[in-house]
Parts: sequence; C-alpha cells; structure tokens
Amino acid sequence: LAKTTQPISMDSYEGQEVNITCSHNNIATNDYITWYQQFPSQGPRFIIQGYKTKVTNEVASLFIPADRKSSTLSLPRVSLSDTAVYYCLVGKGGGGGNKLTFGTGTQLKVEL
Amino acid sequence: KAGVTQTPRYLIKTRGQQVTLSCSPISGHRSVSWYQQTPGQGLQFLFEYFSETQRNKGNFPGRFSGRQFSNSRSEMNVSTLELGDSALYLCASSYRGDTQYFGPGTRLTVL
Repeated sequence: LAKTTQPISMDSYEGQEVNITCSHNNIATNDYITWYQQFPSQGPRFIIQGYKTKVTNEVASLFIPADRKSSTLSLPRVSLSDTAVYYCLVGKGGGGGNKLTFGTGTQLKVEL
Repeated sequence: KAGVTQTPRYLIKTRGQQVTLSCSPISGHRSVSWYQQTPGQGLQFLFEYFSETQRNKGNFPGRFSGRQFSNSRSEMNVSTLELGDSALYLCASSYRGDTQYFGPGTRLTVL
C-alpha cells in the first residue's frame, strides 16, 4: 500500500489560499488520490479525487504532477469553517475494493 | 439521497461485554467499510464487505467481526471489550469500493 506523508499542521488566515502537499512516492499505476476533510467527532467528508494533472470542483482543486509522486490540495479563500483535519489517501478506485490507508492528516487552523 | 447512517451514535459498555454497531449505506451502494479512530492510532481500516462477503481486512484481532446483509446494511461486532476499544467507529459506503462516503460514527466508551 502506498504510504502518504503530509505536514502535521498548517495555519492560515481567512481569505487566503491554502495549499496542502502530500507525498506518495510509492503510488501504483492504478491508484487514485483522494482528499478528505474531517471535523472533530464527525466522519471524514470527501473533498476531491484525481488521477493525474488537475481536477477542480466547487470546493477545491487538486494538482498532480506528471510523476504522480505528490499532490497538492488547494483551498481558495479559506474561512474559519475550513478549520479541520485534511487527509490525503492513495488507493484503488473504480471497483478495486477498499484498500485505503489514512495517514496522520494535516490539521489546518484558520484564524481571523 | 440520504447519507450513511449509523446507530447508535453513542454507547457505553464495560470491559468484557460485547457490542454490535449498525450501518446503513447510501442507497445503491454495495460496499461497506468500517474504521476505528482513536487519538493515538488515528483512522484505521477494520474491514470491508461487498455483496455480503468480506473482501478486505485490516490488522485487528478476531474479536472484531462484521457482516453484511442482502440489503447492504452492515453490522460490526466487538466481543470481550477492552478499555483500548474505546473509539469512534466509522462506517463508509461506496458503490463498488471506490470513493468512500462516511457516516457520523458511533462513539464507543468502554469503562
């Protein structure tokens, strides 16, 4: 299973763009990269998923370089409510069965 | 569509007892996975069920077991509870084992 490495914590201010980078050097050819957000005592919430290049949705963007050994979650104009733990996961998508492994995540703290 | 539901939300048990947690997946989802989350170990994968069969399993002792019914609802059982089993137990469903959608969790406290 591909292991991921993320910063343990990050601080930001409201209105700023936040970029969280995740390293996954051993990513397999058919692995997808998925990011989740988790608030205390709640289940993780799916944010975005990608395989290569760039993916964007209404919440975030995901940048994946050609070698796929890292990825960057970009949160535009964060607010206080974005304070949460963000997990980067690498694993099979598309019916390969759940073999996702959660790392320690990145605690993002947004201040006024 | 309704999200993943888990019951009960909170549970208090004593050591040696057993507990059963329930999870109802999103309609149409056939894969249900269970996770344990503790402050010390983080989010750890317990097992996954797909079409009533256990498809993947994490590194947990045999005291942790589960099953899935024909309607895709799943139950997780922990026997001979230990203090260290106190945790937030999360259920996640997916269509075939791809993107996971999590429920709110069951907070289990073992005294």
